[in-house]
This record gives sequence, structure tokens and C-alpha cells, in this order.
Amino acid sequence: GAGVSQSPSNKVTEKGKDVELRCDPISGHTALYWYRQRLGQGLEFLIYFQGNSAPDKSGLPSDRFSAERTGESVSTLTIQRTQQEDSAVYLCASSLAWQTDTQYFGPGTRLTVL
Amino acid sequence: GESVGLHLPTLSVQEGDNSIINCAYSNSASDYFIWYKQESGKGPQFIIDIRSNMDKRQGQRVTVLLNKTVKHLSLQIAATQPGDSAVYFCAENSNGNKLVFGAGTILRVKS
Repeated sequence: GAGVSQSPSNKVTEKGKDVELRCDPISGHTALYWYRQRLGQGLEFLIYFQGNSAPDKSGLPSDRFSAERTGESVSTLTIQRTQQEDSAVYLCASSLAWQTDTQYFGPGTRLTVL
Repeated sequence: GESVGLHLPTLSVQEGDNSIINCAYSNSASDYFIWYKQESGKGPQFIIDIRSNMDKRQGQRVTVLLNKTVKHLSLQIAATQPGDSAVYFCAENSNGNKLVFGAGTILRVKS
């Protein structure tokens, strides 16, 4: 079946602009995660959605970052007033439920802030 | 805070040899560990996982070893192939289903 998809694959924006990144999880997966990966580094957890529970936002680096999820489907990550340090690959993953279910990753969105 | 780290940032091996990628973790409460492979321009791909009640698990050409005494995790790849060239991340899943990733090890396979 289809895996996790993300759009756009690449986004170049100017400092101060807002950007919106989209994630379509695997159908039937109730858990959805966003991570940030800076060049040559590991993955940094941002936010986690599980069903109708309140999301775990503990990884969001500042209040310029927010995310929404519609039910158990698509999620959008919004970065307001982008800064150059926001440049990174933003990865989305989904899993069946939670806890120790395997997370399946999308290809990521490469964000470049000029 | 909690952290997962890797001993070697880059590993070069000859095609056909076995590869061993190491990882240290700091949270003794972690009960689940995962290895991911990330090829250039792609998202991480699940390779193998292991729970804390086990010390070894085998997959196809891969074996994960867990030593809880010294909080050490390793990934062994048998008969390494050029297609194995990638960045390998270990990750631990302790509280709240939050994966904590290590910095990654680059595996280069020489033909």
C-alpha cells in the first residue's frame, strides 16, 4: 500500500515568511509524528498526535511552530516568521497506534530559508 | 537529559565483509530500541528492533545486540553490500512514545 507522503518535497522561502508543510500518513495509522533533521545530524522530535488525545508538543522549538491534524488523517506543520536556523528537512512518520509500534517515515520536506 | 549517541561517525568496510555499528544509550528505563537506515534524500527506513527483555534479535542479514548492563546497542550487517551504504541511526523509545535518535553513523561500502 501507499506509504507516508509529504509535500512539498522542497520549499525555498525568504526569512520572515510563513510556510506550511503537509503530511499524509499511512491509512489506518492513528499516530503521527513530526521530526526535524538538520544537515548531518540526527532526528529531533517536534510533535506527536495520537488519535483524539491532546498532542505532545514538547519538542516544538518555539511558538513560531505549530501543527494540526484532522482526525486521523492529514497533518500540517506551520512555521511562522521563518528564520534561517529553521532550514532543515522536516520528516513525518506514522505508526499503527502508539508506544512501541514501528514508525514509518515519509521522504521529508527540505526547507531552505534565505 | 536523555541522549543516545554513536561511537563512530563513519565506518568504511569492504564489500562482503561484516559491519558492526555501535550505539550507546543513557536512559536505563528505555525498553525498546530501533535501528533505522537512511539513504540520501530519503526518510529513515526501519531495519530491526529489539525490546529490553531480549539481548539478541536476528533479521535478514542483520542482527541487533542489546547489552543492558553497559547500555550498549549494536547492529551487525553480514556480507555488507554496496546497497547498504547509508546513514544508520539507533533510537530508543522510553517514555511517551518519543523516539530519541542518535547522531548517526555513515556506512561506506567499498567495492
